[in-house]
Amino acid sequence: EDKVVQSPLSLVVHEGDTVTLNCSYEVTNFRSLLWYKQEKKAPTFLFMLTSSGIEKKSGRLSSILDKKELFSILNITATQTGDSAVYLCAVVTGGFKTIFGAGTRLFVKA
Amino acid sequence: NAGVTQTPKFQVLKTGQSMTLQCAQDMNHEYMSWYRQDPGMGLRLIHYSVGAGITDQGEVPNGYNVSRSTTEDFPLRLLSAAPSQTSVYFCASSYIGGASGNTIYFGEGSWLTVV
Repeated sequence: EDKVVQSPLSLVVHEGDTVTLNCSYEVTNFRSLLWYKQEKKAPTFLFMLTSSGIEKKSGRLSSILDKKELFSILNITATQTGDSAVYLCAVVTGGFKTIFGAGTRLFVKA
Repeated sequence: NAGVTQTPKFQVLKTGQSMTLQCAQDMNHEYMSWYRQDPGMGLRLIHYSVGAGITDQGEVPNGYNVSRSTTEDFPLRLLSAAPSQTSVYFCASSYIGGASGNTIYFGEGSWLTVV
């Protein structure tokens, strides 16, 4: 059975801290891994990863994939209160089925 | 730019009633899917489709039907609503392969309450 596991499930940090969110997966046929940020409504796209070891970066956020160990991390440096959200990891399988993890709920205190 | 449009945004149903959540996209995406999201949880895949005339079950398909007669539309039918189907439903679509990869575009969500 395909599955995506995220950790931690929730996290409270102070502004300025750096956080690392984890995503591990077991799927029959991997195609790509996606990271999303969800605030009050629909998730918004952050990154798509297909190759191991190549870091994707956008401002204070970065992500990397390890296809040998079957995991990805999402880093957020110098966190701000606006980073408070649920961060979702999803894996697209060979049949294009997209499976999401339960998400990591991040709360950044001022 | 319409993107992915879901209707209705809010709905209250009585147990045993049936209804259809509509989803339409104007991006000519091959892939469309329905997810449900319960409080404090991630998105769980209900059904998905990789093209017109093709549908498949996701993680939690029981109690739901779908059809894909056109590329644009992917309605989700609740056959006999149960309180356990109270949730937020998201429709999503994406290209399959290509330069844009599998980035998923989401509708704004439909809040469904079954009493």
